[in-house]
Amino acid sequence: KAGVTQTPRYLIKTRGQQVTLSCSPISGHRSVSWYQQTPGQGLQFLFEYFSETQRNKGNFPGRFSGRQFSNSRSEMNVSTLELGDSALYLCASSFGESDTQYFGPGTRLTVL
Amino acid sequence: KNEVEQSPQNLTAQEGEFITINCSYSVGISALHWLQQHPGGGIVSLFMLSSGKKKHGRLIATINIQEKHSSLHITASHPRDSAVYICAAVFGNEKLTFGTGTRLTIIP
Repeated sequence: KAGVTQTPRYLIKTRGQQVTLSCSPISGHRSVSWYQQTPGQGLQFLFEYFSETQRNKGNFPGRFSGRQFSNSRSEMNVSTLELGDSALYLCASSFGESDTQYFGPGTRLTVL
Repeated sequence: KNEVEQSPQNLTAQEGEFITINCSYSVGISALHWLQQHPGGGIVSLFMLSSGKKKHGRLIATINIQEKHSSLHITASHPRDSAVYICAAVFGNEKLTFGTGTRLTIIP
């Protein structure tokens, strides 16, 4: 069974631009969660989607948004990028909302 | 406030030693996760537990609900166990809150 895939793996953007990251969950998994990891703040929860509905949202500004499609694939978007948005963005999928999560390799975003 | 604390921050041990990493949390939780992150960023979920003890190979995770404390043990440690170990708690709001991680280095 293929694991969680994230695209792109690496991304360089400049301040003020916007970015869209993609996550394809393990086949059959309906829950996708997104996390941000930075050296200063560590891992932080961004959002959780289940069956196309956002179930939970972390404490991030409105510039961070996401969605989930009917095939459970998910995207997250960050608008008006700031230097502090440079981070590793991880997504994780699970079959149900309370099941073990399987993490993707992450997208490393650098904002210049 | 929902908080998760891990100790130690860094741990260096000789190959074969028994390793313990601790995690404590501030209020009641519904579940606790232990994650392993290797250099390069890849995260593997090791355990999810809400009570008692779980074992997988040389790894053992325990949780004491009353004391709000969990431990991850590694028996017969090996250099390939070198990684960052992160605990994460699911509080009532169902958001995962992460500890700061323990960087484990096993010396051959």
